[in-house]
Amino acid sequence: DTEVTQTPKHLVMGMTNKKSLKCEQHMGHRAMYWYKQKAKKPPELMFVYSYEKLSINESVPSRFSPECPNSSLLNLHLHALQPEDSALYLCASSRSGQEQETQYFGPGTRLLVL
Amino acid sequence: EDQVTQSPEALRLQEGESSSLNCSYTVSGLRGLFWYRQDPGKGPEFLFTLYSAGEEKEKERLKATLTKKESFLHITAPKPEDSATYLCAAYTGGGNKLTFGTGTQLKVEL
Repeated sequence: DTEVTQTPKHLVMGMTNKKSLKCEQHMGHRAMYWYKQKAKKPPELMFVYSYEKLSINESVPSRFSPECPNSSLLNLHLHALQPEDSALYLCASSRSGQEQETQYFGPGTRLLVL
Repeated sequence: EDQVTQSPEALRLQEGESSSLNCSYTVSGLRGLFWYRQDPGKGPEFLFTLYSAGEEKEKERLKATLTKKESFLHITAPKPEDSATYLCAAYTGGGNKLTFGTGTQLKVEL
């Protein structure tokens, strides 16, 4: 089973709201990733967690706050977002975070910031 | 600088008309070339991983090949359900950062 689940599927929020995106995998993977994808563009890496520790932050604004409570769960906390943050947010996981590993993606959360 | 480039940007085929998508890369010390399929509004679906030049992998109507400079995704006798955006990706710059090409949007018509 190579399933990564994400909730919610869709989210509409105002610029003053606080919301969270959730991601879960039960493949025993120890690396999890957040990507942002704008329309007709490829996914862009935001954060990488390896063994529940943040290993890569691609200079993401602080209004995005990741959290990895355990090896199966990954959250992305959102606060004071801007309309340009509207995008498809993708979660992925891989076995241990080493290069050469295949990353498996979830279905994404479609975020609209008004 | 490590780069992953795909061509063409868009491709329209008739059902049964075979073709190839190209992914060229300039990555020092390639540690895997990945192909994904993405349907609109969905997450990328893993297709293939290729690790060394000369390697080939097949799945149904799709066949991926790898040389030292590029990878091809060959589509044999495509069907309308093969319509999607096909993305290739490679780890770049050291560390576990996966960089994607801009994708090829494939449309297969009856």
